[in-house]
Amino acid sequence: DVVMTQSPLSLPVTLGQPASISCRSSQSLVHSDGNTYLNWFQQRPGQSPRRLIYKVSSRDSGVPDRFSGSGSGTDFTLKISRVEAEDVAIYYCMQATHWPPITFGQGTRLDFK
Amino acid sequence: EVQLVESGGGSVQPGGSLRLSCVASGFTFNNNWMSWVRQAPGKGLEWVANMKQDGSERYYVDSVKGRFTISRDNAKNALYLQMNSLRVDDTAVYYCAKDRAASCWGQGTLVTVSS
Repeated sequence: DVVMTQSPLSLPVTLGQPASISCRSSQSLVHSDGNTYLNWFQQRPGQSPRRLIYKVSSRDSGVPDRFSGSGSGTDFTLKISRVEAEDVAIYYCMQATHWPPITFGQGTRLDFK
Repeated sequence: EVQLVESGGGSVQPGGSLRLSCVASGFTFNNNWMSWVRQAPGKGLEWVANMKQDGSERYYVDSVKGRFTISRDNAKNALYLQMNSLRVDDTAVYYCAKDRAASCWGQGTLVTVSS
């Protein structure tokens, strides 16, 4: 199984400042079809998860452009250019390249200092 | 607008059974893989199972193989999860999600397994 490791697990941030979350996979996530199936999700308190980013860097409809995804191979990053109050949430990466099983990272809790 | 509405959760004793349902709207259900993902209380997300559009392929996480069965009724735009031989560690909110990349999620339904 592919192990997804996120860091940090807790990220205290300041309103208006940037934030960055790392996700590393135990093997390359490049699929034989050339795509890399690495997604990012946001789960606000008391809500269902919501996908933000798919295939490393493509933003889902309605996702603010302050969110961006990057990376390749085994190393991926979710960046928030300027954190807003509504961004307080747990963020998960997920790989769907080598499955079953589809696997998630442990989650990174973003909160204000 | 895509909508996924789960139901069927509840409290059950270890060894018992439950059947979860998910009704989909706002997209062409029979064109999409569908998935179940769960979240134990205070824990992270765990993929449980998924199923191809025509039902010809189904996959499960090892911990539920032989106990859970995913199925679908494309005429009713519905996805199901039959859960048998439930264990305490199956306690979780179960989410229905659209496609293998989980592009949209339902609100979830809580399953509690306790004696």
